[in-house]
Amino acid sequence: DADVTQTPRNRITKTGKRIMLECSQTKGHDRMYWYRQDPGLGLRLIYYSFDVKDINKGEISDGYSVSRQAQAKFSLSLESAIPNQTALYFCATSDRGRTDTQYFGPGTRLTVL
Amino acid sequence: EDQVTQSPEALRLQEGESSSLNCSYTVSGLRGLFWYRQDPGKGPEFLFTLYSAGEEKEKERLKATLTKKESFLHITAPKPEDSATYLCAVQAYNTDKLIFGTGTRLQVFP
Repeated sequence: DADVTQTPRNRITKTGKRIMLECSQTKGHDRMYWYRQDPGLGLRLIYYSFDVKDINKGEISDGYSVSRQAQAKFSLSLESAIPNQTALYFCATSDRGRTDTQYFGPGTRLTVL
Repeated sequence: EDQVTQSPEALRLQEGESSSLNCSYTVSGLRGLFWYRQDPGKGPEFLFTLYSAGEEKEKERLKATLTKKESFLHITAPKPEDSATYLCAVQAYNTDKLIFGTGTRLQVFP
């Protein structure tokens, strides 16, 4: 079984709809992250969380919100989806250590029409 | 400002033709440099963490090296299954976040 899972894997939605992407992990890590990836722009951090009560904005948080339901679950919501939120979305986890080596989930391909 | 630049953007190799990918970085105190492999439509897969200049790590046909300004990912006698995008990232001491480069897309032809 994969250590980091994401659901759904693919989603097509319409402008203005609310969308939730979910991430679960069995690695026992405290830290979880949401990224989006666009061609030519690389991975950009949306939100990150170091524990259930600690949530922080990344570089591109506008239009997104998150919820850390448990140590193992971290959800990303698009309150009112717009076409330029079409992208690949990745969840990642890391443990506290010498560095924050991050382990990624398989991704969600989101298309907003 | 912390920054990562990868070159080349794309690289085409014949099977068995060794080469290197470059990751240049600017960071206010390097805590770690990371290499990932990403297949199309999939999540990045962790390869290596390097902590200080002079350090080297190997995995199969891949070898990562680190200097104070850049890292190289050397690919020896590549095979078609090594085709992927290779991402570099850095973490500074004063942050909990990783800064990613935009990657090098490697294609290895039989």
